[in-house]
Amino acid sequence: NAGVTQTPKFQVLKTGQSMTLQCAQDMNHNSMYWYRQDPGMGLRLIYYSASEGTTDKGEVPNGYNVSRLNKREFSLRLESAAPSQTSVYFCATNQPQHFGDGTRLSIL
Amino acid sequence: DQQVKQNSPSLSVQEGRISILNCDYTNSMFDYFLWYKKYPAEGPTFLISISSIKDKNEDGRFTVFLNKSAKHLSLHIVPSQPGDSAVYFCAALDSGTYKYIFGTGTRLKVLA
Repeated sequence: NAGVTQTPKFQVLKTGQSMTLQCAQDMNHNSMYWYRQDPGMGLRLIYYSASEGTTDKGEVPNGYNVSRLNKREFSLRLESAAPSQTSVYFCATNQPQHFGDGTRLSIL
Repeated sequence: DQQVKQNSPSLSVQEGRISILNCDYTNSMFDYFLWYKKYPAEGPTFLISISSIKDKNEDGRFTVFLNKSAKHLSLHIVPSQPGDSAVYFCAALDSGTYKYIFGTGTRLKVLA
């Protein structure tokens, strides 16, 4: 998707490993968001950043941390990955929300 | 506690007919509502939105209706085309917190 870039696109981790998902936007939007998508659960908000320098918890923040590095970049970190965190992760900006193409993360 | 609900996981419609996708919400603080379309292996893309001060918004084949008293919105697609086959998510925004809440999605299949 133009404007929001997520890296990596795919990743396989072992339980207990750590990883950072990267997101960058070139749309000059203030707000950025991280979601996870699981079958039958829709898109659930993990964390968001309403503006540079602020971050807030969403619906499912446990097991994750975020960093709003600057206006362009918003990263999501799994400190100790668990199988329950296997999901597709989407980064988005506003408004309306523009999404990246997702990171497919599998934790064994 | 699911604040935005899409009670129909799937819907099949014949090409050329109307598709109606429904969404219910519980939080009266939501003041902006959006519909997104998602194809496999892609991120959701914005389709159409409506402010809580309106009851209808139209964009080409897509119309969103909002019934605030019933806390219900719907997306109408007329006429439906095979390329409309996708998963549709409704979302609600509390603009005071910048937080979006999504429904679980409805998979639309338009039959040729």
